[in-house]
Amino acid sequence: GAVVSQHPSWVICKSGTSVKIECRSLDFQATTMFWYRQFPKQSLMLMATSNEGSKATYEQGVEKDKFLINHASLTLSTLTVTSAHPEDSSFYICSARVVGFSTEAFFGQGTRLTVV
Amino acid sequence: GQQVMQIPQYQHVQEGEDFTTYCNSSTTLSNIQWYKQRPGGHPVFLIQLVKSGEVKKQKRLTFQFGEAKKNSSLHITATQTTDVGTYFCAADYNDYKLSFGAGTTVTVRA
Repeated sequence: GAVVSQHPSWVICKSGTSVKIECRSLDFQATTMFWYRQFPKQSLMLMATSNEGSKATYEQGVEKDKFLINHASLTLSTLTVTSAHPEDSSFYICSARVVGFSTEAFFGQGTRLTVV
Repeated sequence: GQQVMQIPQYQHVQEGEDFTTYCNSSTTLSNIQWYKQRPGGHPVFLIQLVKSGEVKKQKRLTFQFGEAKKNSSLHITATQTTDVGTYFCAADYNDYKLSFGAGTTVTVRA
C-alpha cells in the first residue's frame, strides 16, 4: 500500500509557541490530505481537508487561524498549531486517499503534541 | 455533519470467544471501511465494503454490509491476544471524506 510519513512523531512545546507538523506521501501524489485530531480513547475527528494548491476546507468548529494548513505540493501538507495552549495537546494524524487507485485511507504515524 | 454510530465502545473478551461490533448510519452510504488501531499506533485499513448485502472474510474476521447500505458489522471469532486494539468503522458518504465511528476498544483476557 501507499506510504504516508508524518513528522515529528511527538513534540513538547511551551504555551504560546507554534508547532509545525509535516505529512508526506512517499510513493504517490496526494491531491487531497486530511487532518484528524484524536483525544485519548476517542475517535478520529476530522479537522480539515487539505487540497493541493488551494485553501483548506475546515470542519465546523475548527479555528482556521489557529490550525494553519498548507498543501504546497502534491506530496506535502503541513499543519501548524499557532499560539499553542495546553488544551491543544492531542494526537494529530494525517491521511491521504489516492484517487483512481483505491479509496482506502493511508494514515501517517501521528504526532503526539504536548503543550506545557 | 453526517455521523455513523458504533457500538459497543468497549469489548472485554475471553480469549477464544467471539464478539461483534456494529455500525449504523441514518443515511445511505457509498461504502464503509473498517480500520484497526493498535495502542499507540495509527489506524490501519482492514477492508472496504461497497455492495448491498456484501460479506467479506479475512481469516477470523467477517465483515458485513447491510442490504440498505446503512449498517455494517465486524465479527471476530476465536479472539486472540493479537486482536487487541480499537476497531473503527469509517463511513463514506460519497463526498470524499470519511466519518469515523466512535470505535470499539477490545481487550482480551487469557
